[in-house]
Amino acid sequence: EDQVTQSPEALRLQEGESSSLNCSYTVSGLRGLFWYRQDPGKGPEFLFTLYSAGEEKEKERLKATLTKKESFLHITAPKPEDSATYLCAVQAGDYKLSFGAGTTVTVRA
Amino acid sequence: SAVISQKPSRDICQRGTSLTIQCQVDSQVTMMFWYRQQPGQSLTLIATANQGSEATYESGFVIDKFPISRPNLTFSTLTVSNMSPEDSSIYLCSVMGGGGGTDTQYFGPGTRLTVL
Repeated sequence: EDQVTQSPEALRLQEGESSSLNCSYTVSGLRGLFWYRQDPGKGPEFLFTLYSAGEEKEKERLKATLTKKESFLHITAPKPEDSATYLCAVQAGDYKLSFGAGTTVTVRA
Repeated sequence: SAVISQKPSRDICQRGTSLTIQCQVDSQVTMMFWYRQQPGQSLTLIATANQGSEATYESGFVIDKFPISRPNLTFSTLTVSNMSPEDSSIYLCSVMGGGGGTDTQYFGPGTRLTVL
């Protein structure tokens, strides 16, 4: 059974204080690892897909990396608008997504 | 990426009743999925909605409780039947295979269901 574990559960940052979120996973036949952002009361918003170890992707202050066992989401110089829950999910060959519990990030001005 | 809408956005229902949630996409997509997000928790896949055939349900979810239809490539419905307070959740549809790429899932805004 696919397993996805995210840490920490919650992260409180000062504006400008960079940090990283962790997503460790076990899956049979990884097709892709996905990062989403979810704001309260809304559906998840797609951020990145990573397919192979060593791959990196960036979008504004966010950078996602992938190894064979885990992925990191780095937030550089965060702003209050980066406050959200960040979800990690793995996709196996049947295209279904298995989600982690998420990391709730709060950025204080 | 595809634009996805869900109706209703929220509802409050009485125990024992049923609610049908609609998911509409602005373009044809290959796959559609239904997820549940219970309060304070992450997303759990309920089923894959198959066009023109019966949905494929995940362990712990059954057709009698969550009947699903998908009459075409842009529309699907999920019914939550004989509801109990434990069914209070956010229900989300997602789509894959639209203009944004072959394997990325995009999510609708969700339907917040409260069962009294």
